[in-house]
Amino acid sequence: DAGVIQSPRHEVTEMGQEVTLRCKPISGHDYLFWYRQTMMRGLELLIYFNNNVPIDDSGMPEDRFSAKMPNASFSTLKIQPSEPRDSAVYFCASSFRPGGNEKLFFGSGTQLSVL
Amino acid sequence: DAKTTQPNSMESNEEEPVHLPCNHSTISGTDYIHWYRQLPSQGPEYVIHGLTSNVNNRMASLAIAEDRKSSTLILHRATLRDAAVYYCILSWRKTSYDKVIFGPGTSLSVIP
Repeated sequence: DAGVIQSPRHEVTEMGQEVTLRCKPISGHDYLFWYRQTMMRGLELLIYFNNNVPIDDSGMPEDRFSAKMPNASFSTLKIQPSEPRDSAVYFCASSFRPGGNEKLFFGSGTQLSVL
Repeated sequence: DAKTTQPNSMESNEEEPVHLPCNHSTISGTDYIHWYRQLPSQGPEYVIHGLTSNVNNRMASLAIAEDRKSSTLILHRATLRDAAVYYCILSWRKTSYDKVIFGPGTSLSVIP
């Protein structure tokens, strides 16, 4: 199993540009999560999906952020337009089903720098 | 959401045991206690979890207080590779996927 795969690993862009982060969850996992990590705020949950449907997006900071899951094996997090304060590491995670015995599996993250 | 409290940082000498504490006084009866760790430049990874009884696996042991209001992650022999941020979180309930909230965690330094 390749684990959760995120791309790109690093992204450098200029303010105002559109940024798209990609995630491939572990096959068979029904839940997908997007987290953002900064020194100031730590790990924040942005949004999560169940069976490709967004369940809770209350952590999405503002309308510039959007996330989609068109199928069970792919999700995107888009920022348009990007701003310097969006600079952070973005993690995708997946898990099999709800229940206290379940584990979250994280990808290696995308380091985003907005200049 | 039920919250956890951990020390900001801890130090340990290499090859000595490490006890990482976590307080979760508002834990509910169906909350599992999970521990994750994050090595530098990596995503968090699962370490161990439990409900009421102490648990052991190849990575660590988890000791849960009888009243479940606190727990301790035990690394039996710290290595340099164990230097990481350790997160104690209360996992999702059985009937719905509650938010999984990560606190600041404990930054563990291992001294050679």
